[in-house]
Amino acid sequence: GAVVSQHPSRVICKSGTSVKIECRSLDFQATTMFWYRQFPKQSLMLMATSNEGSKATYEQGVEKDKFLINHASLTLSTLTVTSAHPEDSSFYICSADREPNYGYTFGSGTRLTVV
Amino acid sequence: GESVGLHLPTLSVQEGDNSIINCAYSNSASDYFIWYKQESGKGPQFIIDIRSNMDKRQGQRVTVLLNKTVKHLSLQIAATQPGDSAVYFCAEVRVGKLIFGQGTELSVKP
Repeated sequence: GAVVSQHPSRVICKSGTSVKIECRSLDFQATTMFWYRQFPKQSLMLMATSNEGSKATYEQGVEKDKFLINHASLTLSTLTVTSAHPEDSSFYICSADREPNYGYTFGSGTRLTVV
Repeated sequence: GESVGLHLPTLSVQEGDNSIINCAYSNSASDYFIWYKQESGKGPQFIIDIRSNMDKRQGQRVTVLLNKTVKHLSLQIAATQPGDSAVYFCAEVRVGKLIFGQGTELSVKP
């Protein structure tokens, strides 16, 4: 149990366009999901906490207007990278906590390349 | 700032040997700690966790030790196998958020 699905796994987009990444909890409901960004050879950096039915909470330094998060249901959170630029190229990973402190489950990640 | 960090960025071991990966943390208020394994191009995979009121926990071939006095966490892997080659992260749960340390790349030589 506790499977998190993330799509797409890879995406290439042109500079200035927007890209949407989906994160789904397949066999449990997640009121909270988390979005991370990871650059090569670096750790995962928490970007924001996605809350079902309310606004996301962004970490310091993360632009909320650039990284739009929507958590419309208990099984789906989306991250939209707006007006993408090459410096946004990264590995984006979502996770969900099945219940408080149960053991965060991660998606398989999305490799975003902006050209 | 507060952080969870690792002492060694890379670790190379011989197949069959035991591996020890270390982690230092700075926030005493963390609820619990989790070790993750990440293979190239994939999301982190849960290995083992430990609550802040424990000092040791064992799993299959893995043991996590927590020393709150010196704010140190370690992951021990017994009889390391080539399939254990990956990057290992410690992470702390604080106020419902999961914060990652720098990571150690484990390389297992056959």
